Amino acid sequence: EAAVTQSPRSKVAVTGGKVTLSCHQTNNHDYMYWYRQDTGHGLRLIHYSYVADSTEKGDIPDGYKASRPSQENFSLILELASLSQTAVYFCASRGGSGNTLYFGEGSRLIVV
Amino acid sequence: AQKVIQVWSTTSRQEGEKLTLDCSYKTSQVLYHLFWYKHLLSGEMVLLIRQMPSTIAIERSGRYSVVFQKSRKSISLVISTLQPDDSGKYFCALWELRNNNNAPRFGAGTKLTVKP
Repeated sequence: EAAVTQSPRSKVAVTGGKVTLSCHQTNNHDYMYWYRQDTGHGLRLIHYSYVADSTEKGDIPDGYKASRPSQENFSLILELASLSQTAVYFCASRGGSGNTLYFGEGSRLIVV
Repeated sequence: AQKVIQVWSTTSRQEGEKLTLDCSYKTSQVLYHLFWYKHLLSGEMVLLIRQMPSTIAIERSGRYSVVFQKSRKSISLVISTLQPDDSGKYFCALWELRNNNNAPRFGAGTKLTVKP
């Protein structure tokens, strides 16, 4: 069974603090993605990666960094968290027949 | 610019009814895929249907189907005989396949409430 796990599932961070959201997949997939979900905007692509040690900017990369140290792990880093980054963040991996996406359960981040 | 447009943000239906959720998309690419997902309360995003322009590849059949109008760049999700468990948020997604610079783009989602 393909699996994508995110941690933490929920976090409260202070403005200006550093936040790291982690994603781990056991699917042996090459592609991994980070999205954020906001009311009225749906899922917006932040960063993605198609190979270890390489990341690509998505549609809204400002204020975020990404790290892909291995095929299994893909992190999203907020160096200086801001109120506008309060959202639910989803990680996903791609692979298998037909390029199906496998999503994690989401990480709810509240910046205060 | 928004590539995937879902007009309804929320909708409500009675159990047993049939529902059509509309989605339109913008692309100049020849190769692309379209997806419909359901977002569960657990956070999991469940793939309902995958549509390639030339074929229909259904990940989940049963009460889910699509109406695909390629010339209009429209793909609607049809759910027949609604059940309360169908309540949730439904996302339409576009995936343009172009080298390595590709990732699915999602619509804003439609929240469905099915009343018993």
